[in-house]
Amino acid sequence: DGGITQSPKYLFRKEGQNVTLSCEQNLNHDAMYWYRQDPGQGLRLIYYSQIVNDFQKGDIAEGYSVSREKKESFPLTVTSAQKNPTAFYLCASPDRATGELFFGEGSRLTVL
Amino acid sequence: AQSVTQLGSHVSVSEGALVLLRCNYSSSVPPYLFWYVQYPNQGLQLLLKYTSAATLVKGINGFEAEFKKSETSFHLTKPSAHMSDAAEYFCAVSGWTGGGNKLTFGTGTQLKVEL
Repeated sequence: DGGITQSPKYLFRKEGQNVTLSCEQNLNHDAMYWYRQDPGQGLRLIYYSQIVNDFQKGDIAEGYSVSREKKESFPLTVTSAQKNPTAFYLCASPDRATGELFFGEGSRLTVL
Repeated sequence: AQSVTQLGSHVSVSEGALVLLRCNYSSSVPPYLFWYVQYPNQGLQLLLKYTSAATLVKGINGFEAEFKKSETSFHLTKPSAHMSDAAEYFCAVSGWTGGGNKLTFGTGTQLKVEL
């Protein structure tokens, strides 16, 4: 079945460490997105990529970095510059015609 | 620009009662509209979508929503709540940007179902 796979599901990190979250899709979609979710704040867009080798900052990109070397993969790095990294991170990919987003299962990052 | 307003961040109903989750949107072009459901520590799952066909849209798990252009609304309903419906629900509107349709989400409504 086509879909989006995120890993790891749960991740713990010490302050000052970078961590990379994986996102892989086999939907053959061009675009991929990363969202951050905090209680009561809905989904906030971190970065998005419309095509391979291209990406743009979303609303809350500070302290994050991404790459898009392959169509299927869009990893997110949470750097030590992110002041409040504990959150639930969601990767998604849109259907170009309707905008419907297909989501991964999410990754919960906790900074100790 | 487009936006979504979900009225009520928390809604509580009794099992067997009507579920009504409210969503109003703003869009400069005919919108596509979506409802998603999210269970704890999981991704968002599509419940239903309106893409300019029938105004009454039926989705999974017995949910439906009606697109009302005059009221700019897309409220989600279910005749009889079940305990398994307890989750967070997000309304979203899609609008065209240079690179394709992009979704804008509401802040979500947490549905609690009580015995």
